[in-house]
Amino acid sequence: EDQVTQSPEALRLQEGESSSLNCSYTVSGLRGLFWYRQDPGKGPEFLFTLYSAGEEKEKERLKATLTKKESFLHITAPKPEDSATYLCAVQVPNDYKLSFGAGTTVTVRA
Amino acid sequence: GAVVSQHPSWVICKSGTSVKIECRSLDFQATTMFWYRQFPKQSLMLMATSNEGSKATYEQGVEKDKFLINHASLTLSTLTVTSAHPEDSSFYICSARGQAYEQYFGPGTRLTVT
Repeated sequence: EDQVTQSPEALRLQEGESSSLNCSYTVSGLRGLFWYRQDPGKGPEFLFTLYSAGEEKEKERLKATLTKKESFLHITAPKPEDSATYLCAVQVPNDYKLSFGAGTTVTVRA
Repeated sequence: GAVVSQHPSWVICKSGTSVKIECRSLDFQATTMFWYRQFPKQSLMLMATSNEGSKATYEQGVEKDKFLINHASLTLSTLTVTSAHPEDSSFYICSARGQAYEQYFGPGTRLTVT
């Protein structure tokens, strides 16, 4: 069974304090690993797709990396508007479903 | 691009009535759409996969007769919660599959059954 584990569960940062979120996964085969941002009471917002180990993608203060067992979402010099729950999900070949982790809730204080 | 809308954004209904939620892909065609529910402080739980022109595929434990899904066109899927009960109260979110396997999510519908 596919498993996705995110850590930490919650992360409180001071504005400008860089940090990383972890997403470890166990799947029979990986088509893609996806990162989403979710604000309270809203649907998830697509951030990145990573397909193979060694791949990296960046968007503003966010950078996602992928290895064969885990992915990291690095937040560089975060701002209060980066406060949200960050979800990772995996997709296996021959299936379009996403299996989500429980998420990491990031709070950035000014 | 890749915008998905949901309607209504919130709904309150009485126990025993049915509620329909619409999910639309506004600027792209989606052969596959998905329906999720989310409980407070929990992650998304996939309920069913909806393919245009065919029957939906439900996840284990999801009652297909209670949660009716219709994917009538390449831009519209609907979820009808039949004979709703208070335990059906939840946040329902749809998504549409993009061209590169990613999913784009709607803003969600908050259902409260009294």
